[in-house]
Amino acid sequence: KAGVTQTPRYLIKTRGQQVTLSCSPISGHRSVSWYQQTPGQGLQFLFEYFSETQRNKGNFPGRFSGRQFSNSRSEMNVSTLELGDSALYLCASSLAPERAYNEQFFGPGTRLTVL
Amino acid sequence: LAKTTQPISMDSYEGQEVNITCSHNNIATNDYITWYQQFPSQGPRFIIQGYKTKVTNEVASLFIPADRKSSTLSLPRVSLSDTAVYYCLVGDVKSNFGNEKLTFGTGTRLTIIP
Repeated sequence: KAGVTQTPRYLIKTRGQQVTLSCSPISGHRSVSWYQQTPGQGLQFLFEYFSETQRNKGNFPGRFSGRQFSNSRSEMNVSTLELGDSALYLCASSLAPERAYNEQFFGPGTRLTVL
Repeated sequence: LAKTTQPISMDSYEGQEVNITCSHNNIATNDYITWYQQFPSQGPRFIIQGYKTKVTNEVASLFIPADRKSSTLSLPRVSLSDTAVYYCLVGDVKSNFGNEKLTFGTGTRLTIIP
């Protein structure tokens, strides 16, 4: 069974630009979550989608948004990039939200560098 | 949401048993304790989960005292490949509110020395 895939794996952008990251969950998984990981803040929850609906959102500004498609694939978008947005963005999928703790599988992440 | 406290880093030699303790003083009745492992340039991976007493699987053991205010992840006979960051999470696994309670924090950086 294929794991969670994320594209692109690496990305370099400049301040003010916008970026879109993609995540394909494990087949059959309908819940997709996004996390931001930085050395200083650790792994922080961004948002979660289930059945094309955003169910939960972490404490991030409105520049961070996402969506989920009918095939459960998800995208996240960051507009007006800032230097502090440089991070590893991780996507995770699970069968359903209530099974996230022990049945959540993470992708390899997208390393975003903002110059 | 129960806050967890773990050591920032630990070193150990190959072949030894490693114990990483996590404090969660305000754990709630419905909360479970879950540990994840993260290798460099990879996403976290579920290791083990428990509610009370002891849980063991092929990778690790989890010890939880009666008051549940702390827990200890035990890795037997570690090897160099166990070098990773280990996260302790506490929360209601059966909550249908999703992942907003999955607070990973900064974890414990375990380094295995040859």
